Amino acid sequence: EAGVVQSPRYKIIEKKQPVAFWCNPISGHNTLYWYLQNLGQGPELLIRYENEEAVDDSQLPKDRFSAERLKGVDSTLKIQPAELGDSAVYLCASSQEGRYNEQFFGPGTRLTVL
Amino acid sequence: DAKTTQPTSMDCAEGRAANLPCNHSTISGNEYVYWYRQIHSQGPQYIIHGLKNNETNEMASLIITEDRKSSTLILPHATLRDTAVYYCIVRASSTSYGKLTFGQGTILTVHP
Repeated sequence: EAGVVQSPRYKIIEKKQPVAFWCNPISGHNTLYWYLQNLGQGPELLIRYENEEAVDDSQLPKDRFSAERLKGVDSTLKIQPAELGDSAVYLCASSQEGRYNEQFFGPGTRLTVL
Repeated sequence: DAKTTQPTSMDCAEGRAANLPCNHSTISGNEYVYWYRQIHSQGPQYIIHGLKNNETNEMASLIITEDRKSSTLILPHATLRDTAVYYCIVRASSTSYGKLTFGQGTILTVHP
C-alpha cells in the first residue's frame, strides 16, 4: 500500500513569507496528525484530526499556524508569516481506528527560514 | 502519559543483538509501552508495543519487567540498516486516540 505522502520535501523561504505543506494520508486512515520536529529532538504533536474535525490543536500556535483537512482526506498546514524559529521538519502521520494506534509517518517537509 | 528515560546513545556490532533499555517508573496500569524508530531523513516507524507480556514480531522483541517500570527492546541480529534513533513511548490507550509523546530517544549506531 502507498505510504503517507508529503510535499514539498524541502522548502526554503525568507522570514515573514507564508508557506504551506501538504499531506495525503494512507487511504482509509481516519486520523491524521501533524508533528513538528526540531533538530536533535523527537517529534511534537501540533494538531490531530479525526476525519475532518480537529480534535486536539492545543499545541498549534494559532497566531501564525493554521491547518485544514477538507473532506477528511488530504490536509494542509500553513504558516503565515514564517519566523526564523519555524525552521524544522514538519511530519504528517495517519492511523486507522482499531489498529492499536500504529501511526504511519510521511518523510516530512524540511523548512528553512532565512 | 508517563515519562521515559533512555540512554542518549549506544553502539552495536553488526550481527549481534542490540538491547535498548527504557525506564518508565511512573507508568500507570493502563499505559502501553510503544517503540518507534527514526532512520535519518525519514519519518518515525512503528516497531512494537506491549502492556504486560513480552512481545515479539518480525522486527524485534519487547521485554517488560514484571513491575512494568522498565523495558528492553531487542533487535536480535542488528544490521547496518538498523542505525537509527529509537524512541520508547508510554501512552494510555491502544486505540486510535491520543498523541505520541516522543522524548529524545537513543541513537543506535550499528558498526561493521
